[in-house]
Order: sequence, then C-alpha cells, then structure tokens
Amino acid sequence: GDSVTQTEGQVTVSESKSLIINCTYSATSIGYPNLFWYVRYPGEGLQLLLKVITAGQKGSSRGFEATYNKEATSFHLQKASVQESDSAVYYCALSWTQVVGQLTFGRGTRLQVYA
Amino acid sequence: DAGVTQTPRHEVAEKGQTIILKCEPVSGHNDLFWYRQTKIQGLELLSYFRSKSLMEDGGAFKDRFKAEMLNSSFSTLKIQPTEPKDSAVYLCASSQGQNTLYFGAGTRLSVL
Repeated sequence: GDSVTQTEGQVTVSESKSLIINCTYSATSIGYPNLFWYVRYPGEGLQLLLKVITAGQKGSSRGFEATYNKEATSFHLQKASVQESDSAVYYCALSWTQVVGQLTFGRGTRLQVYA
Repeated sequence: DAGVTQTPRHEVAEKGQTIILKCEPVSGHNDLFWYRQTKIQGLELLSYFRSKSLMEDGGAFKDRFKAEMLNSSFSTLKIQPTEPKDSAVYLCASSQGQNTLYFGAGTRLSVL
C-alpha cells in the first residue's frame, strides 16, 4: 500500500532560524496523489496547514511553504524564519480521492522552537 | 459554530470489556471519519461514512471494531471485546464535500 515517510521524529530549532521538515511518499497507484500538511498545536485538534493537488506546484500558509516534487516524490515543508508559536506536531499526508478524509499519514514530526 | 465533539476524552477499560466512543460532527457535514493513532502505526483510517452510509470499513479492524452512524449528527465506534493493543487515541473528523476536514480532540483509550 501507500506510505508517507517523515524521517525526523523531532526537530529543535532556534527562533528566527530556517526550517525544513522532510516528507517523501511511496505509492502503489499510477499518477500523482494529493499532498497535505496537517498540524497539531499544543492543546488543539489536528488541522490542515496547506495542500497541493497538482504535481509541481507549491502551497503556502502561515509563512510555511511546500513544493510538490513529483520526480522525487517529496513534499518538504519549509519556513524561512520560525517562531516559538510554530512549536507543534506536523504531519504529512496523501490522498488519491476527492474525499478529503481518506488520508494516509506520516508518523509526524514534533517541532520545538526555542527563544 | 461547534467543531467536532468527541466523548469521553479519556476512557480506561479492562481487557474484554465493551467500550463505545462517541462523535458529533460539525453541523451540516455529511462525511465522517474515524481514525486511530498509535505510536507504532501512527494515524490509520478506520471507517468512513457519507450521508450516514458506511463507505469504507478498514479490513484490519473489522473483527472487533464497529462504527455506526445513527443519524447525521451522531456516530459511535464500538470495540468489543477490548484488548490491550487497542490502547490508542481515537480521532473523529468530518467534512462537507471537498471542503476542509475538521478533527475532534480525540478520545484516549487505555486498556488494562
């Protein structure tokens, strides 16, 4: 079946530094899935951060960006300058359908930003 | 507007017990999803309903797990009988069409 790999379980970054959280996927179907980043802030539920449904395009939200690289089957999350408020758990996910909840998730990356 | 409401927030069960987890989707949403989250497997889709009809029922979970949607505003996930390996966080989510997916806060289940 499909799988989504986030290589880092935890990332610790100093405030105002840049960030990359890695995500790659492996799919058994032919074609290009829809790709997502979800985030869970402390004390809150899981919520959509950004999505890209067209291979080769970039999505952005709250200062974060992710580019859908179809050749590398990657969807890394980046931010030029992180803040303490970005501390959260970030999940990469994919889907093949228009049903937004039929998702295959990565294991998540916990981001800790310190001042 | 109220978001997705899950009850209880925490549940402790003895092995072999029957437990029922509850979910109220966002009003007007017609798609509802149950997920399980464990440290080993991560987030896994258990069930998916559209307009109260069961559209997907994860094969690996059919044996002791049963999700139902009694009406458009209420769903349950029954685990019978529970086993220690069922200890996890169970998440409910809802959406309307292709719009944003909303997750509940989850129910943390501990099976002793």
